[in-house]
Amino acid sequence: EDKVVQSPLSLVVHEGDTVTLNCSYEVTNFRSLLWYKQEKKAPTFLFMLTSSGIEKKSGRLSSILDKKELFSILNITATQTGDSAVYLCAVEDRSAGNNRKLIWGLGTSLAVNP
Amino acid sequence: ETGVTQTPRHLVMGMTNKKSLKCEQHLGHNAMYWYKQSAKKPLELMFVYSLEERVENNSVPSRFSPECPNSSHLFLHLHTLQPEDSALYLCASSHRLAGGTQYFGPGTRLLVL
Repeated sequence: EDKVVQSPLSLVVHEGDTVTLNCSYEVTNFRSLLWYKQEKKAPTFLFMLTSSGIEKKSGRLSSILDKKELFSILNITATQTGDSAVYLCAVEDRSAGNNRKLIWGLGTSLAVNP
Repeated sequence: ETGVTQTPRHLVMGMTNKKSLKCEQHLGHNAMYWYKQSAKKPLELMFVYSLEERVENNSVPSRFSPECPNSSHLFLHLHTLQPEDSALYLCASSHRLAGGTQYFGPGTRLLVL
C-alpha cells in the first residue's frame, strides 16, 4: 500500500533556530512530491519537487528531493513565530492519470517559541 | 472574491439532519476535490471531479453525496451522519493538466451530535 511518512510528528523550537522536517514515501507510481503549510484551516502550497537533487527555495524555506532514497526534507532557517504551523507532505500518484491523486502524510506540527 | 471559498465555516448538526456544504473556486480550475481531515489521520480524499465528471469515489459512505453542477462549484450533501463524521471538510481545486498543485479552501468544521 502506498504511504507517506513524516517525521518528527511534532517539534518545538526557539525563534532563530533552524529546523529540518522529513518526508519519506513508498509510492509505486511517483509523479511529484509537494509540501504544504497548514496554519489554521486551509493548507497553502509551498513547493512541488519532481527531480532529485535540485533545491527549491523560497525565502527562509528550502526543500530537496532524493528519488533514490525516497525522501524529501524541508528546511526552515532563522525560524520565526509565524512559522508555527503543521507542515504537510504529499506525493502525487501517477497511476491516477490526469486526475491528480495525492497521498498525504500526517504532518509535522512545528511550534516556534519567542 | 478570489481563491477557493467554502460555506458554512462551522456546522453543528444532529444525526437526522440534512445539510449541504458548498465550495466555490475563482481560479479557473477544472478539477475539484473533497477531503476529510480528522485528528491524527492523514488527509482523506473523498471525491474528485474532473471536468465536472466524478472520477474518484474512495469508498465513501452513501450518507455523503457530492454534486458538481459546473467547474466552479462543488457541493457535499450530508444526511443521517454519525458522530465519527465530525471533522474538518476541505475543498480543493486544481488544473487537471498543470501538475499536482491543489489550492484549498478554509474548510468547514463539522460537528455531528
